[in-house]
Amino acid sequence: EIALTQSPGTLSLSPGERATLSCRASQSISSSYLAWYQQKPGQAPRLLINGASSRATGIPDRFSGSGSGTDFTLTISRLEPEDFAVYYCQQHGSSPLFTFGPGTKVDIK
Amino acid sequence: QVQLQESGPGLVKPSQTLSLSCTVSGGSISGGRNYWNWIRQPAGKGLEWIGRIYTSGTTNYNPSLKSRVTISVDTSKNQFSLKLSSVTAADTAVYYCARDPEDGYAGFDYWGQGTLVTVSS
Repeated sequence: EIALTQSPGTLSLSPGERATLSCRASQSISSSYLAWYQQKPGQAPRLLINGASSRATGIPDRFSGSGSGTDFTLTISRLEPEDFAVYYCQQHGSSPLFTFGPGTKVDIK
Repeated sequence: QVQLQESGPGLVKPSQTLSLSCTVSGGSISGGRNYWNWIRQPAGKGLEWIGRIYTSGTTNYNPSLKSRVTISVDTSKNQFSLKLSSVTAADTAVYYCARDPEDGYAGFDYWGQGTLVTVSS
């Protein structure tokens, strides 16, 4: 099983600041199969990034993804008030087919 | 616009079977190369993939739940369903249905709003 770890657990920032979130896999994965989601309280996750770096439909360009192999990054260039949420990375592997990271909470400093 | 909506009992007794349905609207459940998934999230915790079904009926399950899970599809109702047997308090969670349009390449692009299932006597 491929495990995903995310760091930091919590990121305290102010609106307008840059957020850098890390996702690390326990073994190398195809970047084609790495996705990022945003989840706000009481809501379903929302797909932000697939294929490690492609923004999903309707996602603002302040969100960007990068990385390969075992290390992936989600960057939010300038935090807007609506960006304070929990962010999950997710990979498609072998068994189980899909796993999620534990999440990074971005909260207001 | 594709929409997914979960339905089913919000309270299930221990040792019984949890049964949920997900109704797909805005498109045919049989169309495209879609895989239909169940994902759950205990309160305050992360996301766990439960399993998926392709419209051909092919299923894949999380090995940690495989012995207790059955996912089926009813194309006439544009629905797919989850059954989880022998539930315990550890199965208390918000259950989501979600679409994967490209066998993992595109992520889960549409989600239901989620339904809370509590296991308690």
